[in-house]
Amino acid sequence: RKEVEQDPGPFNVPEGATVAFNCTYSNSASQSFFWYRQDCRKEPKLLMSVYSSGNEDGRFTAQLNRASQYISLLIRDSKLSDSATYLCVVSSADSWGKLQFGAGTQVVVTP
Amino acid sequence: EAGVVQSPRYKIIEKKQPVAFWCNPISGHNTLYWYLQNLGQGPELLIRYENEEAVDDSQLPKDRFSAERLKGVDSTLKIQPAELGDSAVYLCASSLLPGELFFGEGSRLTVL
Repeated sequence: RKEVEQDPGPFNVPEGATVAFNCTYSNSASQSFFWYRQDCRKEPKLLMSVYSSGNEDGRFTAQLNRASQYISLLIRDSKLSDSATYLCVVSSADSWGKLQFGAGTQVVVTP
Repeated sequence: EAGVVQSPRYKIIEKKQPVAFWCNPISGHNTLYWYLQNLGQGPELLIRYENEEAVDDSQLPKDRFSAERLKGVDSTLKIQPAELGDSAVYLCASSLLPGELFFGEGSRLTVL
């Protein structure tokens, strides 16, 4: 079983709609969680950290559910520019610097 | 502020040939990572440095891969000899804060 699992998608979303997807992690002692976005043939870029209480950054909302061991990302009012692959990242329980990346969820926003 | 710089951007070699990638991290970032990314997959860690010390190289195939980070600044990743399965994008990243990585544009390797 992979340590970090994501639905690969693609999630096809009409412009202006809301899309949400999850990422599950296997190690219950994982400490920190992040979402990165990666455009086609580009490098990953940090989108947002995920805090225990949940956090919001503009149209993006991240949630953490420790009991069920998943994090989620919700995108409201989707823009064409939101089309990308969203990578879930989980830090190791024994070392904050040791990060596990999921394979990513592809989102395609259509006009 | 300059980002993470990697070179070369693209490299095509024949199998069994050596290849080297270079990375210059963001100034002041003590942590440097080398990742490998295959198409449709997330980045996989090869090695992580804290300053000049390799603190996690458990996923580095040491029979053919080597890395160094002299003086705790820039870093080189070498493959010798390259195999067909090494074709991938090699990403370098640096960070100052836990989990907040800044990636370079990557070095795309094709082994023929």
